[in-house]
This record gives sequence, structure tokens and C-alpha cells, in this order.
Amino acid sequence: AQSVSQHNHHVILSEAASLELGCNYSYGGTVNLFWYVQYPGQHLQLLLKYFSGDPLVKGIKGFEAEFIKSKFSFNLRKPSVQWSDTAEYFCAVNARGSGGGADGLTFGKGTHLIIQP
Amino acid sequence: NAGVMQNPRHLVRRRGQEARLRCSPMKGHSHVYWYRQLPEEGLKFMVYLQKENIIDESGMPKERFSAEFPKEGPSILRIQQVVRGDSAAYFCASSGLANTGELFFGEGSRLTVL
Repeated sequence: AQSVSQHNHHVILSEAASLELGCNYSYGGTVNLFWYVQYPGQHLQLLLKYFSGDPLVKGIKGFEAEFIKSKFSFNLRKPSVQWSDTAEYFCAVNARGSGGGADGLTFGKGTHLIIQP
Repeated sequence: NAGVMQNPRHLVRRRGQEARLRCSPMKGHSHVYWYRQLPEEGLKFMVYLQKENIIDESGMPKERFSAEFPKEGPSILRIQQVVRGDSAAYFCASSGLANTGELFFGEGSRLTVL
């Protein structure tokens, strides 16, 4: 079964700082990768996804993530954060063709990001 | 185009009572997933359903929990004889295609057991 590890549970940054949130997964096969964001009091929304092709994917609100297959990583980045980026960020993996297991997503525990004005 | 609709948003139950959480998927989606989120935890997969079928319930506790997605009407997650440990946010998600992992989430139902 696949698992997802997010390195930082709490991150505090000042506005305009650069952001990188780590995500590693364990699964030997082909995966689809996702970052979801949950703003305070709201539901999860998709930030970006990787299925195949260019390993550098761009999402909404200036976020991007890079899939590094050799490192089993899918780190989320943003060059300059804003106060409105304060939220919980979840990395998730769907193992394609894993068969028998959940057809849904396996989530990391999340990173709580606080942006100070 | 309405998103995934969950109700109730908040539910309070006493120990031993039953909790029923409802989820209507996005229009055109036939795959429904239930996840549970505990404080300081990520989302834990519970069950995956298609219309009238449970496809994967490997994340469901063996007792007291059940789920259905009837031909007509919303998907229902049912928790019998609730205990304090059942207090959590329960999220429903839907997708139009299986096995891609791209899910659309509802706003969640927060269950509090007194």
C-alpha cells in the first residue's frame, strides 16, 4: 500500500517569502500526484496535479510542484507567499493500477501554513 | 453547477445514538468516496462506492459503520451507537472517472459526540 509523508506539520512565513513544502511517497509503481489546499472553514480544493509529462506542473494561485521520480518526491513551491495563502496543504497520491486497494487518494497528514503580514 | 453537497454540516450526538451523514455528488459523477479527518491527522480513506455498489471499504471500521449509495438519492454514511472517538470531520468526495485520483470534495460534516 502507498503512503505519503509531509515533512513539516507547521510552517510560519512572512509575506513575500518563498515557500517549499516537502512531500514524499512510497509506492513502486506509477502514481498520480496531487496537492490540495483547505482554507480555514472551507472544503479541500485542488491546487495542482501530475499525471504524466512535464514533471514541473503549475497550479492555481501561483503554486507549482515538481515531480522527481528518483526521489519519490512532489514538493510544492511558491516564489512569494501572501497572507491569503494561510491554509492547510495536503499532498496526496493515487497509485494507478494498484488493484484491490482504494481507488481514492492516500493523503499526507498535512502542513499547516501560516503567513504573517 | 453545484458541487458536492454534504449535510448536515454539523451534527451533535450523545453516546449510543446513531449518526447519518449524507452526500450528493457533483452532477454527472457516479463515484463517491468518504474520508475521515481527525485533529492533527490527514484524511483517512474510509469507503469508495459507485451507484448501488461498495467497491472498496477497506478503511471502514468493522463494526458500527456502514455506507450506501442507492440508485436514487444521496450516499449515506451511517454510524451506529456512536462513541466519543467517532468525533471528527467526515468528508465526501466524488469523481467522474475512476482511478485518476482527482476528487472534488464537499465541505464536510463535523460530528461531535457528547
